[in-house]
Amino acid sequence: AQKITQTQPGMFVQEKEAVTLDCTYDTSDQSYGLFWYKQPSSGEMIFLIYQGSYDEQNATEGRYSLNFQKARKSANLVISASQLGDSAMYFCAMTPNFNKFYFGSGTKLNVKP
Amino acid sequence: EAQVTQNPRYLITVTGKKLTVTCSQNMNHEYMSWYRQDPGLGLRQIYYSMNVEVTDKGDVPEGYKVSRKEKRNFPLILESPSPNQTSLYFCASRTTTPRVPGELFFGEGSRLTVL
Repeated sequence: AQKITQTQPGMFVQEKEAVTLDCTYDTSDQSYGLFWYKQPSSGEMIFLIYQGSYDEQNATEGRYSLNFQKARKSANLVISASQLGDSAMYFCAMTPNFNKFYFGSGTKLNVKP
Repeated sequence: EAQVTQNPRYLITVTGKKLTVTCSQNMNHEYMSWYRQDPGLGLRQIYYSMNVEVTDKGDVPEGYKVSRKEKRNFPLILESPSPNQTSLYFCASRTTTPRVPGELFFGEGSRLTVL
């Protein structure tokens, strides 16, 4: 069974500091995709970053990077230089076939000024 | 503007009264899907559709129906809603670009309350 675990229900970070949001996944599939989405208080879901299981380099998108450790089945999101606008709920997701998608329970990030 | 549109955005209904949440996308995506979001559980997939007339169950399909008669539309039907279906519902379509093969484009969400 596919399972995504986000063990940090809530986190605080000081503005301008870096923060790591943890995500581990459980799958027996060899090929899969990993995603992070951001959900601000307004409710919409915003795509942040994608990592394919066969990608050798860690994905980066601006201030976001995905620390992919395949052997550990972890896909942590790193946000550098946090901004007040980064305060939101963050979801890790995995898909083994790009049809079924599995999401974690989310991490609520609060950025302190 | 590329978008996924859901209606209604907010709905309060009563147990047993059939309702439909509509979803429409203007990006010509073949794939569409429905999710429900509940506190502490994240998003869970209800149904997905790979193309017109092709649908399949996600993780939590009980109590829901879908249809895909046109490429752009993917309505979610609750034949006899119950209070445990009170939730925030998201529709999403998926791109197939090689760079991000599975990026989901989400609608704004529909908050449903069943009394």
